[in-house]
Amino acid sequence: QQQVKQSPQSLIVQKGGIPIINCAYENTAFDYFPWYQQFPGKGPALLIAIRPDVSEKKEGRFTISFNKSAKQFSLHIMDSQPGDSATYFCAVSRMEYGNKLVFGAGTILRVKS
Amino acid sequence: DTEVTQTPKHLVMGMTNKKSLKCEQHMGHRAMYWYKQKAKKPPELMFVYSYEKLSINESVPSRFSPECPNSSLLNLHLHALQPEDSALYLCASSQGFLAGYEQYFGPGTRLTVT
Repeated sequence: QQQVKQSPQSLIVQKGGIPIINCAYENTAFDYFPWYQQFPGKGPALLIAIRPDVSEKKEGRFTISFNKSAKQFSLHIMDSQPGDSATYFCAVSRMEYGNKLVFGAGTILRVKS
Repeated sequence: DTEVTQTPKHLVMGMTNKKSLKCEQHMGHRAMYWYKQKAKKPPELMFVYSYEKLSINESVPSRFSPECPNSSLLNLHLHALQPEDSALYLCASSQGFLAGYEQYFGPGTRLTVT
């Protein structure tokens, strides 16, 4: 059973556009929701993360929106740039299970110049 | 310094070989992780060490054997692998093993089993 479902699989936007990537989870016990960015040939790197007591968090051009009742969270990239072209993974974890991350399937983003 | 280093970058091995992957961090982190990532798939957790003790083994076959010689080093010993074990092996570390500590990933070792 997939613990977190991520969509879309791939996304192409024009430079300056606002790509939105969505994740949905089933288990309400999850309490930590990070987004990771991975460039080809590199390991994933943490972009931004949120806890369920907050509905939105912004860090630079990246925003997480969190809807606890719908069990969904999404990543918005403002003023996207070609350098944002990468694979994005959402993840979930539970405090009682320590720092064990379960990743979504990933979204390949391409920002066209 | 927020770097996790992994060696080698690439490894090709036969099914009867024994090899080891190495991971190092000097951030004073007390939790270290091994992940396996197949092409176009997300990372999958294999092992977690917390304070140099194995905390999680995600039912990984015994042909993969982790070792944590000290708080900065993590090894993954490989023996009698199968071609389906070919993947990118990622090491990560975090300050501790509580949820919410950022995991810092290394660049990975690209393993090919022939």
